[in-house]
Amino acid sequence: DAKTTQPPSMDCAEGRAANLPCNHSTISGNEYVYWYRQIHSQGPQYIIHGLKNNETNEMASLIITEDRKSSTLILPHATLRDTAVYYCIVRATLGGGAQKLVFGQGTRLTINP
Amino acid sequence: NAGVMQNPRHLVRRRGQEARLRCSPMKGHSHVYWYRQLPEEGLKFMVYLQKENIIDESGMPKERFSAEFPKEGPSILRIQQVVRGDSAAYFCASSPRQVEDQPQHFGDGTRLSIL
Repeated sequence: DAKTTQPPSMDCAEGRAANLPCNHSTISGNEYVYWYRQIHSQGPQYIIHGLKNNETNEMASLIITEDRKSSTLILPHATLRDTAVYYCIVRATLGGGAQKLVFGQGTRLTINP
Repeated sequence: NAGVMQNPRHLVRRRGQEARLRCSPMKGHSHVYWYRQLPEEGLKFMVYLQKENIIDESGMPKERFSAEFPKEGPSILRIQQVVRGDSAAYFCASSPRQVEDQPQHFGDGTRLSIL
């Protein structure tokens, strides 16, 4: 499984953009980068995923470097409700073509008023 | 569109009892995954099932744990003769297909406490 490296914690002011980095230098060509977050006592919430191109949805933007060895999740206007642990995951492949998610320790993002 | 439903949300068992955790996937999803989260740790994959088939159980403890996803009804994670170390949050996720560009969607988990 490709490993990911994230800073253990980050702070961001409410209303500002939160930029969460992730290194995945051993990613292989057909592996996707996924981002999830987990707000205290809830299940992980899917945010966004991408393969090579930058992606944007209603929650966030995902910027993947050209060599695919790192990526950045951007929350454009952070609110207090964005306080959570954010997980960057490279999808592994199971036998049969399905995938399991390998969660690391993530980044604990705190949005400050 | 209802999300992944897990019940119960909280379950308390005494050592030696059995625990049954249920998971109903999102409508149209036929792939189910179970994960366990120990206190202050990240989620760990346990098992992946399709209807009536276990595809990968590489993360399941060898003893006391079993999972099923019958043709009708929810997926069940069963823990026999529970011990204190089984106390954790158990999350279920589902997806519509087994391709890498389909996200897994999670339920809010069952928090199992062993007395």
